[in-house]
Amino acid sequence: KAGVTQTPRYLIKTRGQQVTLSCSPISGHRSVSWYQQTPGQGLQFLFEYFSETQRNKGNFPGRFSGRQFSNSRSEMNVSTLELGDSALYLCASSLAKGPFGNEQFFGPGTRLTVL
Amino acid sequence: EDQVTQSPEALRLQEGESSSLNCSYTVSGLRGLFWYRQDPGKGPEFLFTLYSAGEEKEKERLKATLTKKESFLHITAPKPEDSATYLCAVGDTYKYIFGTGTRLKVLA
Repeated sequence: KAGVTQTPRYLIKTRGQQVTLSCSPISGHRSVSWYQQTPGQGLQFLFEYFSETQRNKGNFPGRFSGRQFSNSRSEMNVSTLELGDSALYLCASSLAKGPFGNEQFFGPGTRLTVL
Repeated sequence: EDQVTQSPEALRLQEGESSSLNCSYTVSGLRGLFWYRQDPGKGPEFLFTLYSAGEEKEKERLKATLTKKESFLHITAPKPEDSATYLCAVGDTYKYIFGTGTRLKVLA
C-alpha cells in the first residue's frame, strides 16, 4: 500500500514569492492535515481537511491556505513568502476526521527554503 | 492551554543501556496519545496510540505506557538503529498537539 506522497521534496524561493505544495494521502484516507516543522518550534498544526472541508485551522496568518480535492489530494499555498517560512512542511493522512482513534501517517515532507 | 512537554531534550545511551523518555501533557479532553519516531530528513513514523490510563503497548524494544498526566516510552537494550527523534502528540477534539521531541543517540 503506497504511503503519503508529497511534492516537491525541496523548494527554494525568494521573499515575496508564493508557493504551492501538494500532498496525496494513503488510498482510502479522507483526512489530510498539514504541519510546519522548525527546529525551535517543533510541529505546528496548520489545518485539517476532511471531505474537501477545512475542519480546523492553527494559529497561522492568512498567507497560509489550503484546499482538498474530491480525490482527497490536498494542496497548501503560502503567499508573500517571508524568511521565517523556511521549514519542513509535513502532510499527514488518516482514515477519518478528528484525532480519536485516528493514527496519522506522515509523508516525507517538503523542505522549503526562503532566501 | 493544551500543552505537551517532552524530556529530556536529548539523550545519549550506550548500546544495551535501557532508559525511558517522558511526555507530560495538559489537555482538556484527551482523545489519544501518540508516539512517533522521526529520522533526519524524513516524516514522523507512527509507533503507538494509547487511549486510557494504565494502557501499555509494545513493539520490539519499545514499550509505551500512559497515566493521567504523562506517558513514558521505555527503550530496552537499545541498538544504534534506534537513534532518532521520538515525538509525542496528544489529540484533543479538533487537533493534535506535538511535543518538541527527544533526540536519542545510541552509541555502539
